[in-house]
Amino acid sequence: AQKVTQAQTEISVVEKEDVTLDCVYETRDTTYYLFWYKQPPSGELVFLIRRNSFDEQNEISGRYSWNFQKSTSSFNFTITASQVVDSAVYFCALSDNAGNNRKLIWGLGTSLAVNP
Amino acid sequence: EAGVAQSPRYKIIEKRQSVAFWCNPISGHATLYWYQQILGQGPKLLIQFQNNGVVDDSQLPKDRFSAERLKGVDSTLKIQPAKLEDSAVYLCASSLDRGKDGYTFGSGTRLTVV
Repeated sequence: AQKVTQAQTEISVVEKEDVTLDCVYETRDTTYYLFWYKQPPSGELVFLIRRNSFDEQNEISGRYSWNFQKSTSSFNFTITASQVVDSAVYFCALSDNAGNNRKLIWGLGTSLAVNP
Repeated sequence: EAGVAQSPRYKIIEKRQSVAFWCNPISGHATLYWYQQILGQGPKLLIQFQNNGVVDDSQLPKDRFSAERLKGVDSTLKIQPAKLEDSAVYLCASSLDRGKDGYTFGSGTRLTVV
């Protein structure tokens, strides 16, 4: 069965600190996608990244970086030099490969508070 | 490109009343999803449409929830009658084709049942 675990329920940091949000997943598929979404207080889900299972290269986008390690089934997300605007709930999700129809399996989210 | 549009943004109703939410997906997106997100939880898929057909409604409480996407574009989700536990954010998302190229979410409708 597919599952996404975000062990950190809440994290609180001070502005300019680096912070890493953990994501561990379970799947029997060999082809799958992993996602990170940001949900600010306004409620919308903002797409951050999609990574397919065949691409283990780490990715950096500005202050955001992602570390995908298939050996440990992890897809961790790091924010460097955090800012107050980074305060949000962050969700990790796994897209399974149920035939030709993919479903998103969500973690419970990590609530990040960046304090000035 | 315009995003996924949802309305209303907020809704407060009394229990046993009915309510409807509207979603307009990104133009050309064949797949449309309705999710329910209860406070403190991740989104839960209620129903998935491929064009105007239902692909998955296994988690839709069919005794009170219904959804349609008559022309394969806009969709409405209805709750009748509402219960207190239906208080949640209802998110609509769309994808080009069954999520192969990612998903785009709307801003959601925050429903409060009192």
